[in-house]
Amino acid sequence: GAVVSQHPSWVICKSGTSVKIECRSLDFQATTMFWYRQFPKQSLMLMATSNEGSKATYEQGVEKDKFLINHASLTLSTLTVTSAHPEDSSFYICSAPAGTGSDTQYFGPGTRLTVL
Amino acid sequence: DAKTTQPPSMDCAEGRAANLPCNHSTISGNEYVYWYRQIHSQGPQYIIHGLKNNETNEMASLIITEDRKSSTLILPHATLRDTAVYYCIVRVATNAGKSTFGDGTTLTVKP
Repeated sequence: GAVVSQHPSWVICKSGTSVKIECRSLDFQATTMFWYRQFPKQSLMLMATSNEGSKATYEQGVEKDKFLINHASLTLSTLTVTSAHPEDSSFYICSAPAGTGSDTQYFGPGTRLTVL
Repeated sequence: DAKTTQPPSMDCAEGRAANLPCNHSTISGNEYVYWYRQIHSQGPQYIIHGLKNNETNEMASLIITEDRKSSTLILPHATLRDTAVYYCIVRVATNAGKSTFGDGTTLTVKP
C-alpha cells in the first residue's frame, strides 16, 4: 500500500523553541495532507488540512499562528510548532489520501514531541 | 460525518475470530464505513472499508447490516499482533481523508 513517512520519529525540545515535523508521501503525490494530534490515552484529533500551493485550513480551536503548516510540494507537508510549551507535548500524526480522488487515507508513523 | 459508537474494550483468544461491532445509526446514504487500527505508539493502519456490501480482504472482513446502521469487523484468526485500538469511521468518500476519530475499541488478544 501507499507509504507515508514522518521525520523525526521523536523529538525533545526546550520550552520556547520551535520544532518542525515533516510528512512525506513516498510513492504517490498528495495535494492534500492532514495533521492530527493525539494525547496519551486519547483518540486522534484533526488539527488542520494541508493544501499544496495554498493556505492550510485549521479546525476550530487550533491556533494557526502556533501550528504553522507548509505544503511546499506534492510529496511534502511540514508542521512547525512555534514557541513550544509542555502542553504541546503530544503524538503528531499526518495522513494523505493515496492518490487524487482516492478514498483511502494512509497515515504516517507519527512523531512524539516532548517539550521540557 | 456521522458519529460512531464502539465498545471501549474487548478480549479475544488467540486463533479465534475477533468480531468488533460499530453502531452508526445516523449514517448518510453517501457515507462509507472505514476501519483503521492503531498499535501502540504507531500511526493508524487502514484495514478495510465498504458502502453497503460486505467486503473481505487479506486482513479482515466487513459486514454491514442491510439498514447500514451498524457494522462488524471480523478478524478471522486473531493473533497477538492484532492487539490494538480499532477505530470505526464513517465519512463520505469524496472527503479525501478528513476523518473524525471516536474513542475506538481496544482489542486485546490473549494467548
